[in-house]
Amino acid sequence: DGGITQSPKYLFRKEGQNVTLSCEQNLNHDAMYWYRQDPGQGLRLIYYSQIVNDFQKGDIAEGYSVSREKKESFPLTVTSAQKNPTAFYLCASSIDKWNTEAFFGQGTRLTVV
Amino acid sequence: AQSVSQHNHHVILSEAASLELGCNYSYGGTVNLFWYVQYPGQHLQLLLKYFSGDPLVKGIKGFEAEFIKSKFSFNLRKPSVQWSDTAEYFCAVTASGGYNKLIFGAGTRLAVHP
Repeated sequence: DGGITQSPKYLFRKEGQNVTLSCEQNLNHDAMYWYRQDPGQGLRLIYYSQIVNDFQKGDIAEGYSVSREKKESFPLTVTSAQKNPTAFYLCASSIDKWNTEAFFGQGTRLTVV
Repeated sequence: AQSVSQHNHHVILSEAASLELGCNYSYGGTVNLFWYVQYPGQHLQLLLKYFSGDPLVKGIKGFEAEFIKSKFSFNLRKPSVQWSDTAEYFCAVTASGGYNKLIFGAGTRLAVHP
């Protein structure tokens, strides 16, 4: 089955630790995105990548980092600099930068204690 | 910068009532517009989209939306809702062409009572 896989579904970390969220797609899509979903705030864009080895900051990139070394993978690292990391994180992909109909993964709920 | 406003955060309807969810965007150029839906416990999925052509677009499950360029709006409608339409609905916009990004509204949580 083609799709986007995010892992793990639930993640717990201690404050001050970096944590990396995985996102893999086998749709052969060029573009990939990371969003953060908080109640009442919708989806806010963290980072996006339109092609391999290239990525751009979204609206709330501070405290996060990404890499795009392979077309199918776009991992997100939540660093200790992120002031409020507990949230639901969604990864998405689209065919290319011109066609931004996005397909979403199931999400990762990160809890920092 | 692009932004999307959804007017209603929570909507409660009875089955068979008509639905209209407001969405306004701010961007001066040509846009692509989307409505996504998130059913309880499920991932986001596309409801309908507008790229060009007929401004009245039809999506899955009887939903439709009308693009009114002069009002920068893309409101979602359904003539008669069902209990199974209970979900959160998100409007999204991206600038067509160029190095663009997909921006979402805050979402509208719809509860349909039998």
